[in-house]
Amino acid sequence: EVKLVESGGTLVQRGGSLRLSCEASGFTFSFHWMSWVRQAPGKGLEWVANIRQDGNEKYYVDSVKGRFTISRDNAKHSLYLQMNSLRGDDTAVYFCARLRDSYNYVFDYWGQGTLVTVSS
Amino acid sequence: DIQMTQSPSTLSASVGDRVTLTCRASQSIGAWLAWFQQKPGKAPKLLIYKASSLESGVPSRFSGSGSGTEFTLTISSLQPDDFATYYCQDYNTYAGFTFGPGTKVEIK
Repeated sequence: EVKLVESGGTLVQRGGSLRLSCEASGFTFSFHWMSWVRQAPGKGLEWVANIRQDGNEKYYVDSVKGRFTISRDNAKHSLYLQMNSLRGDDTAVYFCARLRDSYNYVFDYWGQGTLVTVSS
Repeated sequence: DIQMTQSPSTLSASVGDRVTLTCRASQSIGAWLAWFQQKPGKAPKLLIYKASSLESGVPSRFSGSGSGTEFTLTISSLQPDDFATYYCQDYNTYAGFTFGPGTKVEIK
């Protein structure tokens, strides 16, 4: 059974830093692109970042470029999101998601999400 | 950047109704479009990929169509479990994905 379990969300002050983790199981983690997607309270879904299987290709939404870093450790079956210079509009539930395969890179599995709250 | 729009933003319907949700892309994305269902407090669930392919385990009352810039999700006979918010998403390139703002399907 494919499982993605996020952790690390908490209350953090504006300008602070936080590292989210996503532990994967039930599939060969190193075979898949992985992503972070977020959802602000009461709002829609926003893609945040993608990372290739080997970690050497990464993409970000403009609003987080230079502040967030996506990374992975294939030996630990884990995905990470380092979040720096946090702002109020970064408050959201952060989901990690798996991309199916290199031909059809749809989000096919999602974690349950972890809540990040940025306070002033 | 590709912009995605969805209409309507809210749809009131009854059990048994046939409902159609629309998603439009600001430029052609071929068939690289997915539909997700999300219920409050839960992760999104994949329903349709490549515009019209039904994800395994998803009831056949869901169907998708379209290509290029205009897409639809149809629920042939609305069931109580289908009241939720539906998002379309472009996945034309690894360099950036875009979700539509969502359509909330509520009980009439």
